[in-house]
Amino acid sequence: AQSVTQPDARVTVSEGASLQLRCKYSYSGTPYLFWYVQYPRQGLQLLLKYYSGDPVVQGVNGFEAEFIKSNSSFHLRKASVHWSDSAVYFCAVSRSNNRIFFGDGTQLVVKP
Amino acid sequence: NSKVIQTPRYLVKGQGQKAKMRCIPEKGHPVVFWYQQNKNNEFKFLINFQNQEVLQQIDMTEKRFSAECPSNSPCSLEIQSSEAGDSALYLCASSLNRNTEVFFGKGTRLTVV
Repeated sequence: AQSVTQPDARVTVSEGASLQLRCKYSYSGTPYLFWYVQYPRQGLQLLLKYYSGDPVVQGVNGFEAEFIKSNSSFHLRKASVHWSDSAVYFCAVSRSNNRIFFGDGTQLVVKP
Repeated sequence: NSKVIQTPRYLVKGQGQKAKMRCIPEKGHPVVFWYQQNKNNEFKFLINFQNQEVLQQIDMTEKRFSAECPSNSPCSLEIQSSEAGDSALYLCASSLNRNTEVFFGKGTRLTVV
């Protein structure tokens, strides 16, 4: 069965610091992997996606993620966070039927 | 930026009332999804369509919800008799086909009082 685990419910970092949000998935075969961000009272916005090829994918606003198949991981990274990055981040997995399975999200708090 | 339009943004209903929300998928996207996001940020897949045909739906949707995506009209999701546990953010999403990126709307936040 497909599942996504985001082990950190909440992460607090200082503005300007680097960031890693963890994600591990369980999926038979090679999945499509996504990171979405949700700002307060908003829907989901796609940050980046991995379908195949280069395991390091670049997204919007300086975010990137690395697909490590041996570890079943797809951690999200950013070199220097800004206060406006405060939001909830969701890791997700799907395959050709498009049905997306989400993790429980990580609340990111960026302190000034 | 997503062009999936959901209305209304907020909906308040009493228990037992019908609750209906609408979604206009991105132009040219025949695949439409509905998800429920509860207050704990847990997502539940409800149903998806390709054009007017239902592809998949969960048992809850089959029994208490009705959904459709008629041609040339907004898609809709309706709860026949609202329950307190239905209070959630309902997200509509669309995609070009079953192998491409999915775009989400801003959601309809339903509160059942």
